[in-house]
Amino acid sequence: GENVEQHPSTLSVQEGDSAVIKCTYSDSASNYFPWYKQELGKGPQLIIDIRSNVGEKKDQRIAVTLNKTAKHFSLHITETQPEDSAVYFCAAVGSGGSNYKLTFGKGTLLTVNP
Amino acid sequence: GAGVSQSPRYKVAKRGQDVALRCDPISGHVSLFWYQQALGQGPEFLTYFQNEAQLDKSGLPSDRFFAERPEGSVSTLKIQRTQQEDSAVYLCASSLSIGSSYEQYFGPGTRLTVT
Repeated sequence: GENVEQHPSTLSVQEGDSAVIKCTYSDSASNYFPWYKQELGKGPQLIIDIRSNVGEKKDQRIAVTLNKTAKHFSLHITETQPEDSAVYFCAAVGSGGSNYKLTFGKGTLLTVNP
Repeated sequence: GAGVSQSPRYKVAKRGQDVALRCDPISGHVSLFWYQQALGQGPEFLTYFQNEAQLDKSGLPSDRFFAERPEGSVSTLKIQRTQQEDSAVYLCASSLSIGSSYEQYFGPGTRLTVT
């Protein structure tokens, strides 16, 4: 099955700096990669996603890049703010008959210091 | 509009008790998923419904876990004879469909503590 590795596990930045979180996946047939933000005591919130037919997607301060050849994808947050502090999860959807099943990374705890 | 809701938000059960966790998906969403999230980990897939049909239950940890969605909307995850290792957050997610739309939207979760 799919395996997703995520790093770093923790990331601390100063307000206004950029943050980058990286993930790798194992199933070359995976074609959908969402990113979720989870605040304490809440469920994961979908913040951005990318499909395998594009290499980059941007939404205001958040961008995601995908390198299918290398099987890795990254989340970029620019001009970080304290409210960006949360745990971020990358995920990949399975292929073939499992094209609904999300496999998650272990998460990155992002702390934005004022 | 209303998102995915789950109840109860917190549940404490004594070892050996049965529990039932409820999920109300976003109205009109065909697909419904249950995930288990251990402390400090990412969610892990448990089971998947398309309407009332349970198409995949490969992630259920044991036969003590049972899920249903009899009318294709609300779903219940039942755990019989709870064990301490069942302590986790149980997340429900729904999706408009599969194939054309993969986005899964999560509820707030039910935190289960087995003592």
